[in-house]
Amino acid sequence: GAVVSQHPSWVICKSGTSVKIECRSLDFQATTMFWYRQFPKQSLMLMATSNEGSKATYEQGVEKDKFLINHASLTLSTLTVTSAHPEDSSFYICSARLAGVTDTQYFGPGTRLTVL
Amino acid sequence: KNEVEQSPQNLTAQEGEFITINCSYSVGISALHWLQQHPGGGIVSLFMLSSGKKKHGRLIATINIQEKHSSLHITASHPRDSAVYICAVRPSTSGTYKYIFGTGTRLKVLA
Repeated sequence: GAVVSQHPSWVICKSGTSVKIECRSLDFQATTMFWYRQFPKQSLMLMATSNEGSKATYEQGVEKDKFLINHASLTLSTLTVTSAHPEDSSFYICSARLAGVTDTQYFGPGTRLTVL
Repeated sequence: KNEVEQSPQNLTAQEGEFITINCSYSVGISALHWLQQHPGGGIVSLFMLSSGKKKHGRLIATINIQEKHSSLHITASHPRDSAVYICAVRPSTSGTYKYIFGTGTRLKVLA
């Protein structure tokens, strides 16, 4: 099946620094990728929809200047958490849409961010 | 009320038991996913359904579009099945391919 990778799988950073998370579709092209955030024991919350070659669409309440998304190619989307604070500590998951008859999303393994 | 409800929220079973996890939704959908999330966090897509029934190994997923309900069954459960199982639906009105997620069912299978 289709594979989506994320890098890094975990990261610890100091408050005030920026962290970049990569999401790659390894064996298919994804015109659309999604970024989710998950707090402990809660479900996934959609943060933004990333479209190749255009600006991301952010969900209500998600600061676009805080969470920068770049979808520069059909296989790579990046999420940069700028000036990270402890409250940004969370599990970030991406998914990539495989268009076609089944039109499904494939999920990455997630990135655990801890901000000290 | 959430648009996607799962039951039970938590489930503990003995190894070998037959397990059923339910998902009810209140919107028209074009697809429903069952996802598995292990304690490490990684998510695996188990099934995508738009009608009927699918089987993969010990896992069976069914969906009843008219009743807006889906079930995930695990036969001969094993401790390695311990995970959070998440139901996600794609509303038929979702032109942006967004999903609505259930809050998950936390399954623990004891040896």
